[in-house]
Amino acid sequence: DTGVSQDPRHKITKRGQNVTFRCDPISEHNRLYWYRQTLGQGPEFLTYFQNEAQLEKSRLLSDRFSAERPKGSFSTLEIQRTEQGDSAMYLCASSLAAGGPQYFGAGTRLSVL
Amino acid sequence: QKEVEQNSGPLSVPEGAIASLNCTYSDRGSQSFFWYRQYSGKSPELIMSIYSNGDKEDGRFTAQLNKASQYVSLLIRDSQPSDSATYLCAVEEGAQKLVFGQGTRLTINP
Repeated sequence: DTGVSQDPRHKITKRGQNVTFRCDPISEHNRLYWYRQTLGQGPEFLTYFQNEAQLEKSRLLSDRFSAERPKGSFSTLEIQRTEQGDSAMYLCASSLAAGGPQYFGAGTRLSVL
Repeated sequence: QKEVEQNSGPLSVPEGAIASLNCTYSDRGSQSFFWYRQYSGKSPELIMSIYSNGDKEDGRFTAQLNKASQYVSLLIRDSQPSDSATYLCAVEEGAQKLVFGQGTRLTINP
């Protein structure tokens, strides 16, 4: 078990470009979560999947954000037309069951110039 | 959205002493509570989970939960410089997501 894996670790992009992040959860975990964290704040929930179904999206998630989890395995988070306010650490977590502990990946740090 | 409140600190504790971190939450329906440790520039690392009222001990860490008072705490005994980090309190909402406090920055002074 190698834990939750995220790629890339760092992404620098220009405003208006599209970016995509990948998350591979712990293999037996059927729940996968995306959070965003800015400096000095705790992580904020964005969306989560149970298997391949996206069950909840935060109101923070504008229509420029989309997430998928094909076949209930890895997940991707895409941000279209990036803005400077999108600069943050994007964290992926997975869990085995509802209400159970969530384990985080190393995160993808996005800088929008 | 339900709220989780923590004192942002910084909390400064001498090496070997007990560090006490506190958290209050607003959702009376929450059943699962977690403490994460986050070093600067790193992602949150789970250190404790607690689901029922009372104390739960794991090594130098003790988590305490009081659902009636909507209060969770974390005690770190025999504090070490390596314990210096930000500690995040997280409360499960609707058996779906975690709501985090803003974190308490802890510094252990040698």
